Amino acid sequence: DAGVIQSPRHEVTEMGQEVTLRCKPISGHNSLFWYRQTMMRGLELLIYFNNNVPIDDSGMPEDRFSAKMPNASFSTLKIQPSEPRDSAVYFCASSGGRGGRWETQYFGPGTRLLVL
Amino acid sequence: DAKTTQPTSMDCAEGRAANLPCNHSTISGNEYVYWYRQIHSQGPQYIIHGLKNNETNEMASLIITEDRKSSTLILPHATLRDTAVYYCIVILNSNSGYALNFGKGTSLLVTP
Repeated sequence: DAGVIQSPRHEVTEMGQEVTLRCKPISGHNSLFWYRQTMMRGLELLIYFNNNVPIDDSGMPEDRFSAKMPNASFSTLKIQPSEPRDSAVYFCASSGGRGGRWETQYFGPGTRLLVL
Repeated sequence: DAKTTQPTSMDCAEGRAANLPCNHSTISGNEYVYWYRQIHSQGPQYIIHGLKNNETNEMASLIITEDRKSSTLILPHATLRDTAVYYCIVILNSNSGYALNFGKGTSLLVTP
């Protein structure tokens, strides 16, 4: 398996622009998680889905952030409009399903976002 | 979820055992102890987890005290590639999935 795939790996944008981060979970996994990591705040959970349904979005900073999971193999995290304080590494992780211990979360390589 | 306390940083000589402690004095009976690590510039990586009994896998051993108020992650023969931030997390498993609450972790430096 290719593991969790995230794109783009790096994104540089200007303040006010829309940013879309993409994630493809491991095939067969039924939970998907979006995390954000900064030096100041460490790793924070933003939102997680189970069977494509958002279970907990209490970590989403504000209305500028939105996440969707239209099917079991794809999720997006959108920031509109972006601000410099959104600069961070965004990780996607998945867990559950056939072939793996469901309780283990597998993380993608992350998307490094810089908002100027 | 129970809160965890870990030392900020630790050093270990290459080839020696690295023992990383974690305090979770408020853990409840059905909460698991998980360990993840994050090597610089990579996503976190699962290491091991346990409920009551000690656990061992190809990466590490997990020792949980009888009262479950603390645990120790043991890397039996640390290598330079084990330099990373190690996170101890206490979580309640459920069929609807679970979310990891990463704290500050312990920054482990393995030296030659």
